[in-house]
Amino acid sequence: GAGVSQSPSNKVTEKGKDVELRCDPISGHTALYWYRQSLGQGLEFLIYFQGNSAPDKSGLPSDRFSAERTGGSVSTLTIQRTQQEDSAVYLCASSLEEKLFFGSGTQLSVL
Amino acid sequence: GDSVTQMEGPVTLSEEAFLTINCTYTATGYPSLFWYVQYPGEGLQLLLKATKADDKGSNKGFEATYRKETTSFHLEKGSVQVSDSAVYFCALRRDSGYSTLTFGKGTMLLVSP
Repeated sequence: GAGVSQSPSNKVTEKGKDVELRCDPISGHTALYWYRQSLGQGLEFLIYFQGNSAPDKSGLPSDRFSAERTGGSVSTLTIQRTQQEDSAVYLCASSLEEKLFFGSGTQLSVL
Repeated sequence: GDSVTQMEGPVTLSEEAFLTINCTYTATGYPSLFWYVQYPGEGLQLLLKATKADDKGSNKGFEATYRKETTSFHLEKGSVQVSDSAVYFCALRRDSGYSTLTFGKGTMLLVSP
């Protein structure tokens, strides 16, 4: 596609449920990033992929968070046993060189 | 670790006013510096960048100069428009091939007619 696509655009879930967020990067982009945007907190780095491997997972806030990337393309961010503090906009970005291209994000609301 | 500090918003201006959004950073080595902008309802997009000391990035009338002596990358525009209303994020990418961007918390700009 023309840009980074994320789905769903909105997700409402109950506390304790698992959620999966999907990111389709721009075709050919080798690097993929997940960030979390919370009100008043700015953008918080979660994880970075180069191809299918994740050289930097340092931003994942707990072991409830995991991410994978297959075929050097689509990535899935999984949050297990969601908590209310997980509510945020989850942003995905991809890049070939220096410039990052962001998707519009998934707004996650945990009730 | 790396960090970026931006002035808190919202910054409220009238159309045609002069804009400055302050940004300072802490990083090892010689980072590249960026400003990203997020218009309402849209994803972040790169506004401008500078990769070495004294470089000036510019785009759409916005400018920022990489000042290593003050570790700053302040964003300026001489005459803002209503359409500039958005959230502006300062960011750095550490050199030596490490690709992750570290962002500031963002500064909301509101421009009224």
